[in-house]
Amino acid sequence: QKEVEQNSGPLSVPEGAIASLNCTYSDRGSQSFFWYRQYSGKSPELIMSIYSNGDKEDGRFTAQLNKASQYVSLLIRDSQPSDSATYLCAVNGNTNAGKSTFGDGTTLTVKP
Amino acid sequence: DAMVIQNPRYQVTQFGKPVTLSCSQTLNHNVMYWYQQKSSQAPKLLFHYYDKDFNNEADTPDNFQSRRPNTSFCFLDIRSPGLGDAAMYLCATSRDYSWAGPYEQYFGPGTRLTVT
Repeated sequence: QKEVEQNSGPLSVPEGAIASLNCTYSDRGSQSFFWYRQYSGKSPELIMSIYSNGDKEDGRFTAQLNKASQYVSLLIRDSQPSDSATYLCAVNGNTNAGKSTFGDGTTLTVKP
Repeated sequence: DAMVIQNPRYQVTQFGKPVTLSCSQTLNHNVMYWYQQKSSQAPKLLFHYYDKDFNNEADTPDNFQSRRPNTSFCFLDIRSPGLGDAAMYLCATSRDYSWAGPYEQYFGPGTRLTVT
């Protein structure tokens, strides 16, 4: 089992729809969770960080964390074609201070 | 704007010919990371510096070395590149880290390495 697993994808949604990206992790002691967006051929860009159970909203993006179930999700409301990218989930556990473990990413395509 | 800069953006080297990739940051962050990312894969951490302290990953080949002469700069040296080392190399910085892990990481634009 991978330490961080994401939807295998690719995920395709129509413009204006809600895109839901999911991530599960195996280290129950994980404390910090991040979502990065990576356009093809570019480097990852931080979208959201979340540390506490519940929802965190930033514009069209909402991160949701449930530590008991060991999952974190990213919702993108009113999806735009410019949201088409690979989304990477990164998790920091209490056994690897200083390091993030990345999932393989989910590729999202938003169709006009 | 504070940022992470990588040079060159594209590097072509010959099999076995040493190559150095550079990273600089104006964020004044304590931590600098080097990742290798191949197509459709997650970034793979090679090593990181916390200030001057070097932290190598157990599975990073000896062929990969790093230097951090000061807070702002970090270098990745590949002593004898093989065809399997062709990848995107990403430098990232983080303000600090604690027992809970690092703060957010900020990535440079990456260097695309081709080995011929």
